[in-house]
Amino acid sequence: SQQGEEDPQALSIQEGENATMNCSYKTSINNLQWYRQNSGRGLVHLILIRSNEREKHSGRLRVTLDTSKKSSSLLITASRAADTASYFCATDAGGNEKLTFGTGTRLTIIP
Amino acid sequence: DTAVSQTPKYLVTQMGNDKSIKCEQNLGHDTMYWYKQDSKKFLKIMFSYNNKELIINETVPNRFSPKSPDKAHLNLHINSLELGDSAVYFCASSKRGVTDTQYFGPGTRLTVL
Repeated sequence: SQQGEEDPQALSIQEGENATMNCSYKTSINNLQWYRQNSGRGLVHLILIRSNEREKHSGRLRVTLDTSKKSSSLLITASRAADTASYFCATDAGGNEKLTFGTGTRLTIIP
Repeated sequence: DTAVSQTPKYLVTQMGNDKSIKCEQNLGHDTMYWYKQDSKKFLKIMFSYNNKELIINETVPNRFSPKSPDKAHLNLHINSLELGDSAVYFCASSKRGVTDTQYFGPGTRLTVL
């Protein structure tokens, strides 16, 4: 299946440090998106990167995409307690009309 | 104002019962979705509707029947509930299709006893 694998499954860091999580997928994609899910809540869109883009920034977020390795990374700089959440990558492949979500990384920021 | 809303937030029911979950979006989006998130947080698409037309039915049992009375609503009816149906169900919407940002509802936690 196209399902993305995220790495690590769980990550705990001190507030103020940077957090990096990775996503790998199996087939060619049109776009890759990152979403955040706070405990007990719905997912919130963070950033979308297209297959012809290599890097994208949004505030403290930096996303990279390496289509040759079929992988993406999400970097959160200067982490805050409010960043504690699960982070999911999601891909859409051409003509598929659906997003396939990864397994998620649970990020805990220690104050 | 809530963009995507779902009711109820919690649903506890006995095996064999029939239940419905309602979803409404006030974003003017064309496409709506139902996802199922299991206990391991794995999120999987179930259905997708575009302008009230079904475009994705992701090998979901016939016991699950979505209904879209208009573009702003996508309800999910489940017949003969089974233990394995226990999960959190999320409704989402996007402006056109999967290349657009999806906006998620708060989820409905279904527990089948």
